[in-house]
Amino acid sequence: GAVVSQHPSRVICKSGTSVKIECRSLDFQATTMFWYRQFPKQSLMLMATSNEGSKATYEQGVEKDKFLINHASLTLSTLTVTSAHPEDSSFYICSADYVNYEQYFGPGTRLTVT
Amino acid sequence: GESVGLHLPTLSVQEGDNSIINCAYSNSASDYFIWYKQESGKGPQFIIDIRSNMDKRQGQRVTVLLNKTVKHLSLQIAATQPGDSAVYFCAEAVTGANSKLTFGKGITLSVRP
Repeated sequence: GAVVSQHPSRVICKSGTSVKIECRSLDFQATTMFWYRQFPKQSLMLMATSNEGSKATYEQGVEKDKFLINHASLTLSTLTVTSAHPEDSSFYICSADYVNYEQYFGPGTRLTVT
Repeated sequence: GESVGLHLPTLSVQEGDNSIINCAYSNSASDYFIWYKQESGKGPQFIIDIRSNMDKRQGQRVTVLLNKTVKHLSLQIAATQPGDSAVYFCAEAVTGANSKLTFGKGITLSVRP
């Protein structure tokens, strides 16, 4: 149980285009999902908390107009990187609240902006 | 010029030995702690958790110790195996509404055959 999937696993896009990343909880419902960003050899940095049916809460310094988050159902949250630039290249990871504050993580999405 | 990247601290252990990975957490109000294992190119994998009303918890081949006085967390892995090679992160949280995890910097565990 407690499986989280992400799609796509890798994406390469051109500068100025937008990219959508999906995060799904496969065998449980998640009221809350989280989006993280991870640069090479670094830790995970929380970008935003996504609650089903309401607006996401963004961490300080994260541009909400650039990183659009939608949590339309109890099993799906999406992150759209708008007008992507090379500095947005990173490993994006989502997680879902399971029970008692345990978070289970997706396999991550490697975004490369050329 | 040459670029210098960040490097995570590395713990190198012999296969079969016990490993101890340490973490200092920052928030004295944190009451929930988790250890995650992350293999290259993958998402973090839950290993074991502990709540602040405990100071020790054991799983299969792993033990987590919590010292709230000095805000220190450790992960002990018994009989370390090559498959244990990965980056290990501790994470802390204050449970309740709007709870979220804060991750430590990570330590690379390298197992020598």
